[in-house]
Amino acid sequence: AQSVTQLGSHVSVSEGALVLLRCNYSSSVPPYLFWYVQYPNQGLQLLLKYTSAATLVKGINGFEAEFKKSETSFHLTKPSAHMSDAAEYFCAVSTNAGKSTFGDGTTLTVKP
Amino acid sequence: KAGVTQTPRYLIKTRGQQVTLSCSPISGHRSVSWYQQTPGQGLQFLFEYFSETQRNKGNFPGRFSGRQFSNSRSEMNVSTLELGDSALYLCASSPWTSGGATDEQYFGPGTRLTVT
Repeated sequence: AQSVTQLGSHVSVSEGALVLLRCNYSSSVPPYLFWYVQYPNQGLQLLLKYTSAATLVKGINGFEAEFKKSETSFHLTKPSAHMSDAAEYFCAVSTNAGKSTFGDGTTLTVKP
Repeated sequence: KAGVTQTPRYLIKTRGQQVTLSCSPISGHRSVSWYQQTPGQGLQFLFEYFSETQRNKGNFPGRFSGRQFSNSRSEMNVSTLELGDSALYLCASSPWTSGGATDEQYFGPGTRLTVT
């Protein structure tokens, strides 16, 4: 069985500061990992995904994530936060088609 | 391409009633998954359909059921509604381009169900 743990349910950064959202996974088979973002009253939107092609994955809106097998981590980063980045972020793992297991989410607040 | 659409967007039902939610996937997507999102439990997987067949199922009671039609549109039904069924129900479709597990999911805006 696979699982995902997102460390920190709330993260607050200042505009222009580094964004770091943490995700650790547990999987008995090689995982496929995803980061999604959810804005209020909307569905989830894919930011990026890891499918074993490269350990550093670049996504949309300046986000990237690095897969570290030794640490079972897939942390999401962005060098400089924008006000528009304020949202809830979900890490997810998939080992079966069409079925993803999501973390509890991290709400990102960006202070002016 | 048009995105995933879900109808209705908002729904208020009374305990004991039943409800049917609809999802139209992105054109060409054959996999449709359903999730329940609540503040307390987060995002939980309900079930997934591919070519009209249920392939995966989460840990929900039998009151929750679904189906998929030949045009890939999907419906989920909840019978004998309980207060705890109040949630945002999200539908997601996948393109099934590389065997499935690596495919990202495209989410609809959700149906907000309130049970009173």
